[in-house]
Amino acid sequence: DAKTTQPNSMESNEEEPVHLPCNHSTISGTDYIHWYRQLPSQGPEYVIHGLTSNVNNRMASLAIAEDRKSSTLILHRATLRDAAVYYCILRDTGTASKLTFGTGTRLQVTL
Amino acid sequence: DAGVTQSPTHLIKTRGQHVTLRCSPISGHKSVSWYQQVLGQGPQFIFQYYEKEERGRGNFPDRFSARQFPNYSSELNVNALLLGDSALYLCASSLSGGSGYTFGSGTRLTVV
Repeated sequence: DAKTTQPNSMESNEEEPVHLPCNHSTISGTDYIHWYRQLPSQGPEYVIHGLTSNVNNRMASLAIAEDRKSSTLILHRATLRDAAVYYCILRDTGTASKLTFGTGTRLQVTL
Repeated sequence: DAGVTQSPTHLIKTRGQHVTLRCSPISGHKSVSWYQQVLGQGPQFIFQYYEKEERGRGNFPDRFSARQFPNYSSELNVNALLLGDSALYLCASSLSGGSGYTFGSGTRLTVV
């Protein structure tokens, strides 16, 4: 399984943008980049995914490097409700499509 | 619409016992996956089922088994419980094996 590398933790002030990095140097051509987040006492929640082009949705934006070896999840205005563990996952849709979670980045948001 | 529902939410078992965890997927979702999350770690893949057939299995011992029913609900069974099986067990459903997953809130299993 292709691996991802994320910082263990990050801090942000409320209402400021947050950039969560992810390195995936061994990504293959068929791997999609997925982001999930897990709030305390809840199951993981889908955030966004992409293949090559940058993606935007109501929750966040995903910026993918041209060589696809890294990506950045962007929360445009962090709120206290965004405090969670964010997981960057590579997923090959050609197989059983399991999600291989790492340890993720714990995001703290302060007032 | 109801999300993915799991039952029970919490339970305590003794070493050597057997446990059955249940999952109801989102209506219309035909794929169900199970994950184990030990405290402080990310979830680990256990099984995936699609249309009642096993489509994938993680690196877990044969004490772990699962099945999917005609209504797409699923059960995860664990035999001969060990202390190390204490974890949050998560169920996730999706329309197909390759689409985005929706997770339930999990079942917290404590083995004493």
